[in-house]
Amino acid sequence: EPEVTQTPSHQVTQMGQEVILRCVPISNHLYFYWYRQILGQKVEFLVSFYNNEISEKSEIFDDQFSVERPDGSNFTLKIRSTKLEDSAMYFCASRTSGFTDTQYFGPGTRLTVL
Amino acid sequence: AQSVTQPDIHITVSEGASLELRCNYSYGATPYLFWYVQSPGQGLQLLLKYFSGDTLVQGIKGFEAEFKRSQSSFNLRKPSVHWSDAAEYFCAVGGYNNNDMRFGAGTRLTVKP
Repeated sequence: EPEVTQTPSHQVTQMGQEVILRCVPISNHLYFYWYRQILGQKVEFLVSFYNNEISEKSEIFDDQFSVERPDGSNFTLKIRSTKLEDSAMYFCASRTSGFTDTQYFGPGTRLTVL
Repeated sequence: AQSVTQPDIHITVSEGASLELRCNYSYGATPYLFWYVQSPGQGLQLLLKYFSGDTLVQGIKGFEAEFKRSQSSFNLRKPSVHWSDAAEYFCAVGGYNNNDMRFGAGTRLTVKP
């Protein structure tokens, strides 16, 4: 069964550094998402992406964050200058074009900012 | 924006007992509602979803949920819990085009032998 993959599984970085989290959505999916989950807290929506542009974003998704689909398979989340509070599990998700279709989640990347 | 409340942070049930996890949503229009399960160290797996139609929705692993508009609720139920059901359960609501799903804080389920 096709699945969403994410790399790396764990990323450790120093505060102020840039990080790029990578996701490979399911191949025929057209909508892509990033969520984060701070340890012990709820899953929070960050951004949705369709047709090479952001379609929705939350208040969390400020200028420090950006997303990109650099080629036909990858979907990335960049954090320009990481802060301690960016430490979280970041989940990528994707779905097909129908709005009733299920969002499939990847296994997540644990980001630790020191 | 839409929001979800899961009143129970932690629930413990005995194996074989019935289960009900509560979820209340806030949204001005017809909501799109979901239940996801997360096992430790894992991603999120969809149990079931509601978009329209029959208010009783069947999902995987023997779970079901009932949409009650009058109570703004979408409670998850299972008649007989198995030890493997121990996990974190998240209720979520999608907005206008289901493009910005918002999650509740989650309910952690512990299953006693």
